[in-house]
Amino acid sequence: SQQGEEDPQALSIQEGENATMNCSYKTSINNLQWYRQNSGRGLVHLILIRSNEREKHSGRLRVTLDTSKKSSSLLITASRAADTASYFCATVLNTGFQKLVFGTGTRLLVSP
Amino acid sequence: DTEVTQTPKHLVMGMTNKKSLKCEQHMGHRAMYWYKQKAKKPPELMFVYSYEKLSINESVPSRFSPECPNSSLLNLHLHALQPEDSALYLCASSQGRGNNSPLHFGNGTRLTVT
Repeated sequence: SQQGEEDPQALSIQEGENATMNCSYKTSINNLQWYRQNSGRGLVHLILIRSNEREKHSGRLRVTLDTSKKSSSLLITASRAADTASYFCATVLNTGFQKLVFGTGTRLLVSP
Repeated sequence: DTEVTQTPKHLVMGMTNKKSLKCEQHMGHRAMYWYKQKAKKPPELMFVYSYEKLSINESVPSRFSPECPNSSLLNLHLHALQPEDSALYLCASSQGRGNNSPLHFGNGTRLTVT
């Protein structure tokens, strides 16, 4: 299966701390995306990194991609209670269609 | 609030019922998707429509029948479902065939099959 594996499965931190989530995948990709999901809601796109990029920033988010290791990481700096959510990486295969396959997800809890 | 609207938000149906889930977007996106998500699991792709044509069917049982009446609407018709089909059904859209456009998700329909 192409499905990515994320670790940790769950992460609990205090406000102000940084949170790092890791994603590993199995086959070659076109790009990798990170999404956030609040409990029982839809997913929200956070950031997209192409296969020829190594690092990307967006606000308090920093994403890295290592295609040789087939892995990516999402760093949230100076976390806030409002960052509490599940975070999923998603890989897009090298096909003509947008077939997005989600990883297993990391549940992040940020305590005030 | 999202730009992809799904109705109803909650649905309870018996195994002999026929119901439909609806999804609507007005962003001019030409690709639309159905995902199924069980509790504490990632979303799983069911169907992809591109330019109103079914492009991907991930071997979904025929009791789920998708329909794309036009570029803004996506339906999922349900018939003779099983209790294990209870899940959050998510609709999403993206700009088109390209691989680099992010998905915009609705908030889902929480389906319970009794």
